[in-house]
Amino acid sequence: DTEVTQTPKHLVMGMTNKKSLKCEQHMGHRAMYWYKQKAKKPPELMFVYSYEKLSINESVPSRFSPECPNSSLLNLHLHALQPEDSALYLCASSQDRRNYGYTFGSGTRLTVV
Amino acid sequence: QKEVEQNSGPLSVPEGAIASLNCTYSDRGSQSFFWYRQYSGKSPELIMFIYSNGDKEDGRFTAQLNKASQYVSLLIRDSQPSDSATYLCAVNPARRYSGGGADGLTFGKGTHLIIQP
Repeated sequence: DTEVTQTPKHLVMGMTNKKSLKCEQHMGHRAMYWYKQKAKKPPELMFVYSYEKLSINESVPSRFSPECPNSSLLNLHLHALQPEDSALYLCASSQDRRNYGYTFGSGTRLTVV
Repeated sequence: QKEVEQNSGPLSVPEGAIASLNCTYSDRGSQSFFWYRQYSGKSPELIMFIYSNGDKEDGRFTAQLNKASQYVSLLIRDSQPSDSATYLCAVNPARRYSGGGADGLTFGKGTHLIIQP
């Protein structure tokens, strides 16, 4: 299994809603990442989990809350989002070494209304 | 100065020709370098990674790294219309490297490549 699976593929939510994005990998990777990508822009790193511990938070607003229940799962909890948070949210994983390629999931297209 | 710079294009190349994509980076201590292909509306797909000076070949793709010049390139030989996409250069910067821990990637803005039939 060489895939990173993200659900849901599409999500529309209101500004008062609470929702969660899910990411799963079974490659034995010990590092998992959340990226945000706006249209015609490159992916921007949000969070890094290494061995199930949060190692990097790129100054992301608290309305985004990551969680890593185990080494295969990564969640992103969303609350009180703004329309400008609408974007493609990408999960990625890698072996916990700087030189090994990152594998991206297919992403969740989020629209905040 | 932006950390990873690419010409946004579009770069138009005739089918069958060599497409040359370039990237420069500012962090001299950067450890590893990646090329991703992204089709519109899809997630990035890893094409090549390189971390030693010189060339690395994989099929029609060749990545070239020159750390002294802080320059990475991707050559696509025998370009096909299906190669039309945005190509993202990504760098694993030294400033985040934590001696064995995981690091995120910093991406350039991408080069939009069009292969003309």
